[in-house]
Amino acid sequence: EVQLVESGGGLVQPGGSLRLSCAASGFTLSNYWMHWVRQVPGKGLLWVSRINFDGTDTKYADSVKGRFTISRDNAKNTLYLQMNSLRAEDTAIYYCVRDVGTSIDGSWYKWFDPWGQGTLVTVSS
Amino acid sequence: DIQLTQSPSFLSASVGDRVTITCRASQVFSSCLAWYQQKPGKAPKLLIYAASTLQGGVPSRFSGSGSGTEFTLTISSLQPEDFATYYCQQLNSYPHTFGGGTKVEIK
Repeated sequence: EVQLVESGGGLVQPGGSLRLSCAASGFTLSNYWMHWVRQVPGKGLLWVSRINFDGTDTKYADSVKGRFTISRDNAKNTLYLQMNSLRAEDTAIYYCVRDVGTSIDGSWYKWFDPWGQGTLVTVSS
Repeated sequence: DIQLTQSPSFLSASVGDRVTITCRASQVFSSCLAWYQQKPGKAPKLLIYAASTLQGGVPSRFSGSGSGTEFTLTISSLQPEDFATYYCQQLNSYPHTFGGGTKVEIK
């Protein structure tokens, strides 16, 4: 079974740091780009970051650029999100997701599947 | 950035109703659009990708259509397990934005 399991969430003070982990199973992590998406409880979804197959290329939402770092250890089948200089507005459930794609009629399409169960990060004093 | 606007943001419907949710984009893009269903306390689940392709295992009462800047998700006959929040997402360019969500509740 393809599965993603996040861990590392918790309560942290403003300005603090936290590292999230996402353990992948049921597939070969190195074959997929991976992302983090977050959701303030009761609110909508926000894409946070993406990493390519081997970690040599990354992208970030403007709201976390310079503070968050996405990385991966394919040998350990694990994705990470290092979060520094945390702010109250970073409080959210953080999901890791797999980027899946296919070619249809010569065009490339992709989607997120599966999603992990999420880990809650609370930034508060 | 491509902004996605879903409408309605909330709808109340009965079992057996036909439901249509619209996702409008701020600019034209390829049909690299996905729809997800999220139930309370759970992670989102993929329903449709490439605007109209049903993910394996998803009931055929769900369908997607559209192109350009307007996309729709239709549930042909609403079932009790379909009461949830639905999100569209564009994966054409970064950031991979989501619509604001449509909450489907029981009338």
